[in-house]
Amino acid sequence: EAQVTQNPRYLITVTGKKLTVTCSQNMNHEYMSWYRQDPGLGLRQIYYSMNVEVTDKGDVPEGYKVSRKEKRNFPLILESPSPNQTSLYFCASSPVNQPQHFGDGTRLSIL
Amino acid sequence: QKEVEQNSGPLSVPEGAIASLNCTYSDRGSQSFFWYRQYSGKSPELIMSIYSNGDKEDGRFTAQLNKASQYVSLLIRDSQPSDSATYLCAVKKASGNNRLAFGKGNQVVVIP
Repeated sequence: EAQVTQNPRYLITVTGKKLTVTCSQNMNHEYMSWYRQDPGLGLRQIYYSMNVEVTDKGDVPEGYKVSRKEKRNFPLILESPSPNQTSLYFCASSPVNQPQHFGDGTRLSIL
Repeated sequence: QKEVEQNSGPLSVPEGAIASLNCTYSDRGSQSFFWYRQYSGKSPELIMSIYSNGDKEDGRFTAQLNKASQYVSLLIRDSQPSDSATYLCAVKKASGNNRLAFGKGNQVVVIP
C-alpha cells in the first residue's frame, strides 16, 4: 500500500530535549516536505527536499533541521524544542510537480 | 496581501444541497490549484486538482478556476453528512520547487 508513514503519532516531551520525528514513503517520490498546522494559522511549510541530499527552507524553518540521506526518509529534528513548537506536524511527498500526499500527522506537545 | 485567502466562516448546508467554497490567491503566476479535505484530527486528503480555466468535475465535486480574477472555487453537489470537514485551498507557488501555499480552510457542516 502506497503511504507516507510518520512516527511517533503522538509525543509529549519537555523543553530542550532533542527529538526526531521520522517520515518514510514507499512510493519512490523525489519530493518530500514538512508542515506544521496551528489553529488560525493553517498549514505552514517548515522544510522541503527536492531529492536526496537536496533540502531547503520553507516558511517557518527556525528551530528545525532536516536531512535527506535516502530517498524514502525525511526526518524532522528539533535540537532544542520549545513550547512554541507544540503543534500538529505533517509530512508530505510527491513526484516532482505532482500533488502532494500527506502522512497521518504527529501531534507534538512540548512542556 | 495573503498568498491564499479563504474568507468564509463555517458553512452549514442541509443534506442534499450544494456547498460552495471560494478561494482567492495573490500570485498571478500560479498555475496549479488544489482542494484538500481534512476531517477533524486527520491529515489533508487531495480531492481535486485544476490547472486550466473553467470547470473540472469529479463525481459530486466541481472545481472552478478563473486565473484572470485569481480565484478558485469548489462546489459539492448533493452534500452528504460525510462531507462535513474542513476544506483547504492550496496554490502551487510560481517560484517553483513544488511549494504550496495553503489557505486557512473552510469548515463545512452538512445537516441531516
